[in-house]
Order: sequence, then C-alpha cells, then structure tokens
Amino acid sequence: DAGVIQSPRHEVTEMGQEVTLRCKPISGHDYLFWYRQTMMRGLELLIYFNNNVPIDDSGMPEDRFSAKMPNASFSTLKIQPSEPRDSAVYFCASSRLNEQYFGPGTRLTVT
Amino acid sequence: AQSVAQPEDQVNVAEGNPLTVKCTYSVSGNPYLFWYVQYPNRGLQFLLKYITGDNLVKGSYGFEAEFNKSQTSFHLKKPSALVSDSALYFCAVRDIGGGATNKLIFGTGTLLAVQP
Repeated sequence: DAGVIQSPRHEVTEMGQEVTLRCKPISGHDYLFWYRQTMMRGLELLIYFNNNVPIDDSGMPEDRFSAKMPNASFSTLKIQPSEPRDSAVYFCASSRLNEQYFGPGTRLTVT
Repeated sequence: AQSVAQPEDQVNVAEGNPLTVKCTYSVSGNPYLFWYVQYPNRGLQFLLKYITGDNLVKGSYGFEAEFNKSQTSFHLKKPSALVSDSALYFCAVRDIGGGATNKLIFGTGTLLAVQP
C-alpha cells in the first residue's frame, strides 16, 4: 500500500490567494483527519470525517478554512483567502481500526 | 475528558543506554493508548498501541511500552538507544467522547536526543 498521499508537498503563496491541499487516504480506511502543526501551537486537529461525512470541525480556525470529502478516496482542505499566520505543516491521516496513519504533510508558506 | 501528558519537553540519552519517554493519561473507562514518532520533515509514524491484554506492548524499531493502570502511565522504553532514534515522540489516547470514534488526543511531544 502506498500509504496516505498528500499533494503538494510544498506550497508557497502570497497573502490573499486561495490554497487547496489534497489527500488520498489508505484504501479501506473510513476515517480521515486533517491536522496542522506549528512550533508555537504544536499538533492541532482541524476536522475529521467518517464515511465521507464531516463529524467534528470544531478545530477549524476560521471561516476561511473549509474541507470536503467527495468520495472515500479523496479529500481537500481549502484556505481562502490565505494569511501569513496560516503558514504551517498540514497533515492528513486515515484510520480504519484504532491507530491513524499519517501522510508526509504539506508545508505551506504564506508570504 | 480524556487527556495525555508528556512531562518532559526533551530527553537526552547516550547511545547504548536505555531510554524512557514518559506519558501519563486521564480517561474515563478503559484507555486506548498509542505512541507515535516523528522524524524531521516527516509525518507521524505509528509505533505501538495498547488496547487490552499484556501490559507490556512491543512495537516497531525495538520500542516497547508498559501500561500501568495504578499509575495511569504508558511510558515508552527501549533497552539500548541508537542515534537514529533521535526524533519527536508523541503519546496519544483515543477520545471516546460522543461515542465510538477513531479521534486521538495527542500529547505535546517529547524530543529525544541520543548522543553518540
């Protein structure tokens, strides 16, 4: 299995631009999680889905952030408009039983 | 509410010596506990888990963890540290709030530095 796939691996954009991060979970996993990691705030859960349905989005920082999961093999996290404080590493993880498996992350830099 | 605490921001150990990374938990009911490792510029990797059964759990890369119910601890251990073990280690507990879910609550992480 290829594991969780995220794209792009690196994204540099200017403030005000729209950013879309993509994730392909491990086949057969029914949970998908989006996290953000920064030095200041550590690892934060943004939102998670079960069977493509958003279950808890209480970690989404602002209305500028949105996430979708149109099918079992694809999810997006969108930031519109982006701000410098959104700079972080964004991880996607998927799960079937108990443990979660993480993707390699997308390093986002907003200038 | 479920929570985990990692009391040490950093642990330093010499190569070849045993290592321990500490984790304590607070849960209602039986805990599902996990350890993850994060190498620089990589995602978190699952090391091991405790669900039920033997209190000593063995995982990847020679790591093991001991579940201690009376002390509400789940410390990560390795008999002989390697320089390549240097990384950030996270303890996590499954959040059972709201029913069955695979949501995990992570600790703040402990940076392990193994000196040659």
